[in-house]
Amino acid sequence: QLQLQESGPGLVKPSETLSLTCTVSGGSLSISSYYWDWIRQPPGQGLEWIGSIYYTGSTYYNPSLKSRVTISVDTSKNQFSLRLTFVTAADTAVYYCARQSNRGWFDPWGQGALVTVSS
Amino acid sequence: DIQMTQSPSSLSASVGDRVTITCRASQSISLYLNWYQQKPGKAPKLLIYAAYTLQSGVPSRFSGSGSGTDFTLTISSLQPEDFATYYCQQSYSTPLFTFGPGTKVDIK
Repeated sequence: QLQLQESGPGLVKPSETLSLTCTVSGGSLSISSYYWDWIRQPPGQGLEWIGSIYYTGSTYYNPSLKSRVTISVDTSKNQFSLRLTFVTAADTAVYYCARQSNRGWFDPWGQGALVTVSS
Repeated sequence: DIQMTQSPSSLSASVGDRVTITCRASQSISLYLNWYQQKPGKAPKLLIYAAYTLQSGVPSRFSGSGSGTDFTLTISSLQPEDFATYYCQQSYSTPLFTFGPGTKVDIK
């Protein structure tokens, strides 16, 4: 059974860089037809898609975040990662990693990682 | 960008009630519409994909319908474990995916 697990610091200072890693277990992320995504949810709010990566390294980003986001993949570790630079309080959210099907639905999801931006 | 709206934003219902949630896209998205259930403190869970296909393991009391711009999620007989927030998501304009604002279903 495929499982995803986010990890990384839960507190980041304003203007610094948020870094999270998603570890995939129970299967390989080097499988064709699937992308691997980051999605976030500010406290009490809705869901925002951040970006996607294919195991080859091909990426897509939300234009609203594109200038600050980098998603990378390490197939040897079965992990993919998120970097978000110059964070502000508005970036405080639960960050989820998820597998994206070839028709764009997300399943499964990781349990989520709360990242708070505060000095 | 394709904007998604949902109605109502919240509703109160009783166990056994039939519940209908509507999702509307700002332009036609064919059948590229997916539904998720989220309980407090948990990740969203895929319920229905491609407008009406039930994800494996999801109870048959959940159903989806619609195409184009208007879609519906129906719970035929609400169960205690169904009290949650429901989100729709369009996957037509890949790779720019957007979600609806959510519909919270709580106990009357």
